Amino acid sequence: EAGVAQSPRYKIIEKRQSVAFWCNPISGHATLYWYQQILGQGPKLLIQFQNNGVVDDSQLPKDRFSAERLKGVDSTLKIQPAKLEDSAVYLCASSLVGGVTYNEQFFGPGTRLTVL
Amino acid sequence: SQQGEEDPQALSIQEGENATMNCSYKTSINNLQWYRQNSGRGLVHLILIRSNEREKHSGRLRVTLDTSKKSSSLLITASRAADTASYFCATFTGGGNKLTFGTGTQLKVEL
Repeated sequence: EAGVAQSPRYKIIEKRQSVAFWCNPISGHATLYWYQQILGQGPKLLIQFQNNGVVDDSQLPKDRFSAERLKGVDSTLKIQPAKLEDSAVYLCASSLVGGVTYNEQFFGPGTRLTVL
Repeated sequence: SQQGEEDPQALSIQEGENATMNCSYKTSINNLQWYRQNSGRGLVHLILIRSNEREKHSGRLRVTLDTSKKSSSLLITASRAADTASYFCATFTGGGNKLTFGTGTQLKVEL
């Protein structure tokens, strides 16, 4: 079974530029997550989708970050304009629909973003 | 915000030794999970322990959970160089399938 796919794997941009990341979840997984992982820290949830609707975006800096999952499958995360503190690994994960009982999240390889 | 704090932040041991890392968390949980992350394989789920369990084993891994102290420990026995990675605890409090990760322990296993 194919895992969660992400691209690109690495991206270097200058501050104030824009960048977009792409994620393709495991087939059949209705729930998709974007995490930000700053060096030396654990992943922090930015946004969670169920199908094409947003479940939780409470920690998404909405003035510069946006995400969409138009057809309930692939998703893109965009940063515009980027700041130095956005340098991090951006992880995408997917799972079956979550509820009271936990469904395992499967993580992609991540995109390492460096903002100069 | 981070739910869990891990301790130690970094650990260096010799191959064959045991490695113990600890996780403390703040709120009541439904389950607690441990993940491993290295550059080669990304973030990989290791083991899950439910709030009504006290101990769980999986191969060379042993996890304990003390809900009264809001803490968990991960023991890796007979460590190998391939165990070199960062280890994170993550908590699930119920509802929405949301995980909150700790700060991680960097383990280095030397030959």
